[in-house]
This record gives sequence, structure tokens and C-alpha cells, in this order.
Amino acid sequence: AQSVTQLDSQVPVFEEAPVELRCNYSSSVSVYLFWYVQYPNQGLQLLLKYLSGSTLVKGINGFEAEFNKSQTSFHLRKPSVHISDTAEYFCAVSAGGAAGNKLTFGGGTRVLVKP
Amino acid sequence: GAVVSQHPSWVICKSGTSVKIECRSLDFQATTMFWYRQFPKQSLMLMATSNEGSKATYEQGVEKDKFLINHASLTLSTLTVTSAHPEDSSFYICSAWDRGSNTEAFFGQGTRLTVV
Repeated sequence: AQSVTQLDSQVPVFEEAPVELRCNYSSSVSVYLFWYVQYPNQGLQLLLKYLSGSTLVKGINGFEAEFNKSQTSFHLRKPSVHISDTAEYFCAVSAGGAAGNKLTFGGGTRVLVKP
Repeated sequence: GAVVSQHPSWVICKSGTSVKIECRSLDFQATTMFWYRQFPKQSLMLMATSNEGSKATYEQGVEKDKFLINHASLTLSTLTVTSAHPEDSSFYICSAWDRGSNTEAFFGQGTRLTVV
């Protein structure tokens, strides 16, 4: 079984400042790692994913994340945030391998970008 | 990317009635779809895994008789909330894996259910 911990439930940040959202996971098998963003009353949009290969993953909207196997972490970063980045962010894992593996989500981090 | 369409986006129903939510993969086939429930300011909790042509697999604590799931084709899964009560009010989200890519789940836009 997998579990995901997002260490910060809320992160206030000023516009144009950098932000880091922390995610740690546990799993007994290899995993795929994902970051999703959710705007109010909407579904989830994929920001980026780690499947294999380079541990630094670049996603949409200027986000990137780094997979650290030894620390079982997959922290999300953006060097300069915009007001439009205000949203809920979810880290998720799925067991690598066959199709149809369910996702396990972290508790979410609410990012509030202040002008 | 692939598109998952969920309908309706919101619904209000009276206590005791049933509500059906549809989840469609528009441009890919999905043998497996997932139904999640999300309470305000909380994370997504998996309710069940919907398998095309077979019975759904429910997570522990989810009432299979209350939340009926049907996955009759490779592009459609439905969730029916039977005899709805106010405590069933929530945001329901479906997702589906693209069989072709096998590496990403796509999410519907969610359904806000309010039972009055």
C-alpha cells in the first residue's frame, strides 16, 4: 500500500516570490508520482509526473519537481508565482506497472498568492 | 491530452431520490475508471474502481448498495447515488486511465451534489 503526506496544508506567498510544496510518500513497490492542481469546483489538472529517468521533472505553468528516492520525496517548486497560481495542489502516487492502478492522494496544499 | 467528461457538473436533489452521474472518456478507451469523493477543503478519497464489463471494486467503508456503479462500455461509467440523504452531499470526481499511454489518469470536471 502507498501513502502520501503533504507537509503543508496552506502556503501563503507573495506574487513573484518562489514557492515550494512538500510531498513525501511511502511505498513498498516502485511508484509513479504526480502533482495535480485543482481550481474551485473543478476537476484535477496534471501539472507534471515522474515515471522514470531524470529526477528533475518540468511541467506546465513553470512548475518543476524533483524526485528524491532516498528521501522518498517529490517536492514541487515554482521560481515566481502569479496570482493565477492560487489553487489547491495535490501530490499523488500510483504503483508502477500495469494500467488502471489507483491513485493515492496527499491531503492537499492550498496556495494563496498575495499581491 | 485525453478528455474525460463528467455530467452533470452540479445537481440538487431531494432527500430520498436517486441521482446518476456519468463519466465518459471522449477520445480514448478506458477499461478502468475510478470514482472519488471530495469533502470541502479535503483531499480526494477513492470510493470505487469501475471495471468495464464486471463488478466494481469498492473501498472499505463505501456502501455498494448506496453507490451503484456501472461500467457498460469502454467509454462510459456511471455512479448512481441511491436514496440520497444530505450527508451524501459532496463533490464527486471520476478519472480514467488511457490504455494507450498507461501512464496518466485524466479527471472529469467533477459533480457537485447537494441533497436537500
